Amino acid sequence: DTGVSQDPRHKITKRGQNVTFRCDPISEHNRLYWYRQTLGQGPEFLTYFQNEAQLEKSRLLSDRFSAERPKGSFSTLEIQRTEQGDSAMYLCASSLARDRAYEQYFGPGTRLTVT
Amino acid sequence: AQSVAQPEDQVNVAEGNPLTVKCTYSVSGNPYLFWYVQYPNRGLQFLLKYITGDNLVKGSYGFEAEFNKSQTSFHLKKPSALVSDSALYFCAVRDLNTGGFKTIFGAGTRLFVKA
Repeated sequence: DTGVSQDPRHKITKRGQNVTFRCDPISEHNRLYWYRQTLGQGPEFLTYFQNEAQLEKSRLLSDRFSAERPKGSFSTLEIQRTEQGDSAMYLCASSLARDRAYEQYFGPGTRLTVT
Repeated sequence: AQSVAQPEDQVNVAEGNPLTVKCTYSVSGNPYLFWYVQYPNRGLQFLLKYITGDNLVKGSYGFEAEFNKSQTSFHLKKPSALVSDSALYFCAVRDLNTGGFKTIFGAGTRLFVKA
């Protein structure tokens, strides 16, 4: 399978715990995005990487959220001291940087439930 | 600020009839517009995009979309709906003139195609 993969697919955690999600983009894609999607809403942009550089962050990304892409390949999204409001589907997407108009390829998402 | 509006939460259409899913946008510069589809338990899939050129763009699965600059709209269309088209459809916009990489998604429109 050469698509975007995310791990885990589901995560249930207690409030206050830390969680980390992983995204493996399509191998030749140098752009990587994280989104959050809640029920009945479209994906909300969280952050963007070009290679290993984090170039843009949404104001939605509070201090409890951090994302890394250390070698320009896979990426991790960590949420510290989780809150019930963090319950959502976290989506990862990747794309090529050949031109300025690109389509994003999405992974299946990680569904987080904070109890 | 960039925004996308999908005025219909749900669209119902009979199989074989034409379908339209509406989208309007607001950006400060030239828009790059996208449609994505989300099937149950699957990730978002790219359908089509408008960059420049012909106002009618064709995409996957027989879908097409019409860009109308004066009405700031980008409606998704298909001449003959299939039951398998039933899914959640998202319109999205990116404003390259702002220099950012953020893609803004609409809230989604659920399409039901009845046999």
